[in-house]
Amino acid sequence: EDKVVQSPLSLVVHEGDTVTLNCSYEVTNFRSLLWYKQEKKAPTFLFMLTSSGIEKKSGRLSSILDKKELFSILNITATQTGDSAVYLCAVSGLRAGNMLTFGGGTRLMVKP
Amino acid sequence: NAGVTQTPKFQVLKTGQSMTLQCAQDMNHNSMYWYRQDPGMGLRLIYYSASEGTTDKGEVPNGYNVSRLNKREFSLRLESAAPSQTSVYFCASSAPFGRGRETQYFGPGTRLLVL
Repeated sequence: EDKVVQSPLSLVVHEGDTVTLNCSYEVTNFRSLLWYKQEKKAPTFLFMLTSSGIEKKSGRLSSILDKKELFSILNITATQTGDSAVYLCAVSGLRAGNMLTFGGGTRLMVKP
Repeated sequence: NAGVTQTPKFQVLKTGQSMTLQCAQDMNHNSMYWYRQDPGMGLRLIYYSASEGTTDKGEVPNGYNVSRLNKREFSLRLESAAPSQTSVYFCASSAPFGRGRETQYFGPGTRLLVL
């Protein structure tokens, strides 16, 4: 059974801080790992990672995957109050219908 | 493009009542999904439809049924609602093939309260 564990469960920081969110996984026939940001409503897609050691970057957010150790990290530098959200990690294996298994999420609060 | 739309946005039911949650996507995606999200539990897959005409159980299918009406629409039915089904329900869709096909696009969610 596929499994995704995220840590920490929640995090409170001040604007300007740098944060690192963790995601570890077990999946049969790994295909990809995805990060989503969820504010008040629907999750919105951030990154998809398929190869180890290649950093994906978008503005102040970046993510990297380690397929040997089965984890990924999501970094946010110079945090802003608009980064406050739940960050979800999900993995895809070779299962029908492109199914994803989600972790429980990390709730990030950025204080001014 | 509206993306993925869901109706209703919010619903209150009494135990034993039935209802159908509607979902539609205009991105020409083959695959569609229904999730529920409970506090601290992340997103759990209820049912999915890999393509028009097919549906399969996900992680938590008990108490639910689905219909893939056509390529655009995928509905979720609660035949006899229970308080344990109080949750936020998300519909999602993904492209059929190609790089990034695992990327799922989510609707705005339906908040359901069962009393």
